[in-house]
Amino acid sequence: EMQLVESGGDLVQPGGSLRLSCAASGFPFSGYNMNWVRQAPGKGLEWLSSISGSSGTIYYADSVKGRFTISRDNAKNSLYLQMNSLRAEDTAVYFCVSQNYYDSSGLYYGWFDSWGQGTLVTVSS
Amino acid sequence: EIVLTQSPATLSLSPGERATLSCRASQSVSNFLAWYQQKPGQAPRLLIYDASKRATGIPARFSGSGSGTDFTLTISRLEPEDFAIYYCLQRINWPPYTFGQGTKLEIK
Repeated sequence: EMQLVESGGDLVQPGGSLRLSCAASGFPFSGYNMNWVRQAPGKGLEWLSSISGSSGTIYYADSVKGRFTISRDNAKNSLYLQMNSLRAEDTAVYFCVSQNYYDSSGLYYGWFDSWGQGTLVTVSS
Repeated sequence: EIVLTQSPATLSLSPGERATLSCRASQSVSNFLAWYQQKPGQAPRLLIYDASKRATGIPARFSGSGSGTDFTLTISRLEPEDFAIYYCLQRINWPPYTFGQGTKLEIK
C-alpha cells in the first residue's frame, strides 16, 4: 500500500526556519516526481514545489521561490522541504504528494495521486 | 499562469439530487484537468483525471466532461458521503500547477 507520512510541522516565529520531511513507502519512490502542496486554514490548495525522481529538475511557485528548498533522498525514500524566512502567510497544512497514478490497464498518468495526511506549520510570534 | 475559476462557490443540495460543478480555465488546458474531493481533516482524493476519466475505485455517479476552457463535474445522485469540497487542477502549463478555489457542496 502506498503511503506518505509528513513530519516536522511546528510553531515557529516569523523569520524563522523549519524543515519538513515526508517518508514514502509502498512504491518505487525514486521513479516518481514528488511535490509539496499547502492549504492555509479554511483556504484552498496551493502547489509549492516539484522535484523529479533524480532531483535533476526542480520547480517552485513564485510565493516560495528563494525561501523554500525541496530535496529528496531516494536511498531513504524521503522528501524534504527546507523553509526559511517564514512569514505569517506561510501558516498552513503542508502535504507531500506523489505523481504516481496508473489506470486499471497499467498506463501511467502524471496526476497528483497519493497524498500524505499533512503537517501543520504555524508562523506566529 | 493559468487561472482556474470554479463555480458556484457553494452549492446546497439534498441527497438524491444531481450536482453540477463548473471549472473554467483562463486559457485552454486541452483535457489536462482533474477533479479532487476533500473532506474535513483529510487529504484530497483524485476523482476524475484527463477531464473525463474516473479514477480507480470512484463510483460511477461521478462523471467529468469538457475540454479546452470549460469543464464540468457531475454527481448524478448525491449520497451523504459526497458532501465535501471539490477542486479542479490543471497540469498542461506548469509550473505552476494551479488549482481552482474550490466548490463547497453542502447539505440543504
